[in-house]
Amino acid sequence: QLQLQESGPGLVKPSETLSLTCTVSGGSISSSSYYWGWIRQPPGKGLEWIGSIYYSGSTYYNPSLKSRVTISVDTSKNQFSLKLSSVTAADTAVYYCAHMGYMITFGGRNGYFDYWGQGTLVTVSS
Amino acid sequence: QSVLTQPPSVSAAPGQKVTISCSGSSSNIGNNYVSWYQQLPGTAPKLLIYENNKRPSGIPDRFSGSKSGTSATLGITGLQTGDEADYYCGTWDSSLSAHVVFGGGTKLTVL
Repeated sequence: QLQLQESGPGLVKPSETLSLTCTVSGGSISSSSYYWGWIRQPPGKGLEWIGSIYYSGSTYYNPSLKSRVTISVDTSKNQFSLKLSSVTAADTAVYYCAHMGYMITFGGRNGYFDYWGQGTLVTVSS
Repeated sequence: QSVLTQPPSVSAAPGQKVTISCSGSSSNIGNNYVSWYQQLPGTAPKLLIYENNKRPSGIPDRFSGSKSGTSATLGITGLQTGDEADYYCGTWDSSLSAHVVFGGGTKLTVL
């Protein structure tokens, strides 16, 4: 059974960089046909996808966050990471990491998040 | 505002059936597959439906998904109090650079 666990500071100061790591257990991060993603949820609001990465380093990013986001993968540690720069209070949210099944077929893109971490609350405040 | 439009809330009595709609466009739902997620209070989202209408192992057949054109629908039959949760649709959007989009979420109340 695949398990994901987010880790990182729960408090980040405005204008600084938010850094989180997701550790994967019960499976290899280098599995083909799967991506790994970050999704966030501000308190009381809906889900917002941040970006996804393949073990080779290929990435997809949310266009609205792309200028501030870097997602990387460390296959030797079975981890992938998120960096979000120049944070403001609007970046306060529960951040989830997730495993994403993904393929491109004649029917279009087929991507879905089937395993999720428990989430970690990151508050941006001075 | 979300790219995908869901009703903010729906309600029904135990044992009844409810549907939740998710409306998009040709750049997202119209040409890509849809997934649905259930989020119980204080927990991470859980995949209910993928590839428009497929259920992961362990998801009861009370949950169903369908897609027609630029809209998708989640159906739940035999409602239980434990189904009270937020439900989100998700898909890919192929406008500009490809990216994932979610609906704004629908709060299901089981009366």
